[in-house]
Amino acid sequence: QVQLVESGGGVVQPGRSLRLSCAASGFTFRSFGVHWVRQAPGKGLEWVALTWSDGNNKYYADSVKGRFTMSRDNSKNMVYLQMDSLSAEDTAMYYCARDEGGDTGLDYWGQGTLVTVSS
Amino acid sequence: QSVVTQPPSASGTPGQRVTISCSGGSSNIGSNHVYWYRQLPGTAPKLLIFRSNQRPSGVPDRFSGSKSGTSASLAISGLRSEDEADYYCAAWDDNLSAYVFGIGTRVTVL
Repeated sequence: QVQLVESGGGVVQPGRSLRLSCAASGFTFRSFGVHWVRQAPGKGLEWVALTWSDGNNKYYADSVKGRFTMSRDNSKNMVYLQMDSLSAEDTAMYYCARDEGGDTGLDYWGQGTLVTVSS
Repeated sequence: QSVVTQPPSASGTPGQRVTISCSGGSSNIGSNHVYWYRQLPGTAPKLLIFRSNQRPSGVPDRFSGSKSGTSASLAISGLRSEDEADYYCAAWDDNLSAYVFGIGTRVTVL
């Protein structure tokens, strides 16, 4: 069955870095794009980043552009989100979700990993 | 402030029909498909509608989506208590080169 499992969250001080991972299984990973979507406590969904299947086409929300970098390793069925210069505003649950790319939407989501930025 | 707007709340009694609107612009809803996601408390979001009006397998036909111009809507017919959740519309925005979510609509079953 399709599974996406996020990891790497935790408590980090402002200005520091953190790398999130998303492990995919149960489908042909190299054929799918992957999004990161976050949700601050008590708030709505905020799209963060997208990488398509070849890993070369990447898109970022303005709020993270220049600080976050998304990458993928198709040989390991993994997606990563390198987060630098973190601030309290980045505190959120971070979800990864797959996207087939044929306007089918984000059809499978992981359970999320919580990032807390605090001194 | 999101580029796609939806009401923060909606409500209805069991069995009623509830409609949630989602308004955007020419660079998002006006030129791309709309998606709807449902999020139950403490859980990950789930895809409810894709390509503006298509349901993934397993989603009951009580849920329907539509789009006209730069607006879209989600209708829930035969409202049930288990439909209490947050509902988000989303679309790709060509100007921003970003996926944009609405603020979410909390549906309450009275």
